[in-house]
Amino acid sequence: NAGVTQTPKFQVLKTGQSMTLQCAQDMNHNSMYWYRQDPGMGLRLIYYSASEGTTDKGEVPNGYNVSRLNKREFSLRLESAAPSQTSVYFCASSIGEYSNQPQHFGDGTRLSIL
Amino acid sequence: AQKITQTQPGMFVQEKEAVTLDCTYDTSDQSYGLFWYKQPSSGEMIFLIYQGSYDEQNATEGRYSLNFQKARKSANLVISASQLGDSAMYFCAMREGEGYSTLTFGKGTMLLVSP
Repeated sequence: NAGVTQTPKFQVLKTGQSMTLQCAQDMNHNSMYWYRQDPGMGLRLIYYSASEGTTDKGEVPNGYNVSRLNKREFSLRLESAAPSQTSVYFCASSIGEYSNQPQHFGDGTRLSIL
Repeated sequence: AQKITQTQPGMFVQEKEAVTLDCTYDTSDQSYGLFWYKQPSSGEMIFLIYQGSYDEQNATEGRYSLNFQKARKSANLVISASQLGDSAMYFCAMREGEGYSTLTFGKGTMLLVSP
């Protein structure tokens, strides 16, 4: 029962470096999401993909790009990392079109940018 | 204005007692859904319970129940017979409108259960 798998679990970057966070789900879900979690801020939506082939900005998209590679995979890219992007990043997925279905989360990626 | 407000940054409860975690929401949609998630210290997000705006009865899932007061726009989580393993961060979230939409999360309440 893998559910939503995120890689890597931990990463340290230097300012200006780039990296891609990977996310894959095996629940045949249509929709996928990227959140960041900062102390005292709850979860804030960065980008989402309502269905394969579509992506949309969330609340805090600046400094990030995403790719919905196929139905299973949704990646998040930091092109030029900044210390303000130090956070815990969560990927989630859901069936999509039924509003009573919950989102299922990965275990998170802890990203530190020095 | 915040869409989801959790006014209690932290709550303490003794084992075996019941505890209520507050959540108020703000929406102009008639159709919406409210979710509660638990985040233990290990970091994963665990779905607990869902309440739809048209649901006539309060949702229940084992020791979790939702005190849904639509007129007051509140959806408080009630945990009965608290256990040490209930110590965690709890988030309330809302999905608005019909069909597809995203979730908006509150800032969370940290619950500590003492022996």
